Amino acid sequence: DAKTTQPPSMDCAEGRAANLPCNHSTISGNEYVYWYRQIHSQGPQYIIHGLKNNETNEMASLIITEDRKSSTLILPHATLRDTAVYYCIVRPKAAGNKLTFGGGTRVLVKP
Amino acid sequence: DSGVTQTPKHLITATGQRVTLRCSPRSGDLSVYWYQQSLDQGLQFLIQYYNGEERAKGNILERFSAQQFPDLHSELNLSSLELGDSALYFCASSPGTATSYEQYFGPGTRLTVT
Repeated sequence: DAKTTQPPSMDCAEGRAANLPCNHSTISGNEYVYWYRQIHSQGPQYIIHGLKNNETNEMASLIITEDRKSSTLILPHATLRDTAVYYCIVRPKAAGNKLTFGGGTRVLVKP
Repeated sequence: DSGVTQTPKHLITATGQRVTLRCSPRSGDLSVYWYQQSLDQGLQFLIQYYNGEERAKGNILERFSAQQFPDLHSELNLSSLELGDSALYFCASSPGTATSYEQYFGPGTRLTVT
């Protein structure tokens, strides 16, 4: 399985953009990059996913480098409710659809 | 609200006992996944069902079993419970099995084994 590396924690100021990095240097050609977040013991929440192109939805933007070895999740205007653990996941292609969660990045949005 | 429901929300039981956790997927979703989240192991995939058939297995103990019924709801059975089985158990669903599908998680069942 392609592994991901994320910083364990980061702080962000309310109203500012939060840029969450993820390294996935062993990603295979047809593996997707997914981002989920978990707000304090609630069920993980899907944010966004992409294959090779940048993606944007109402929650966030996903920037994937051209070599696909890293990506950045951007929360454009962080709010206090965005405080959560953010997980970057590469979907393994030969192991069904299971999501393999790592440690994630604990994001604290401060007023 | 993800559309995935789980019951019960909380469960407290004693070691050696058996419990059943229930999950109803989002309307129309055929795949159901079970995950366990404990303090020391993080979120771990247990098992996946698709339209009633087991599709993938993860780190699921032999004391645990699951099934998906014709109405697509799923149950996770945990037996001979040990203190270490105390955890949050999440169910997720997706429309099918393609890797491009996102999974939608329920609110979880918090199991406490005393």
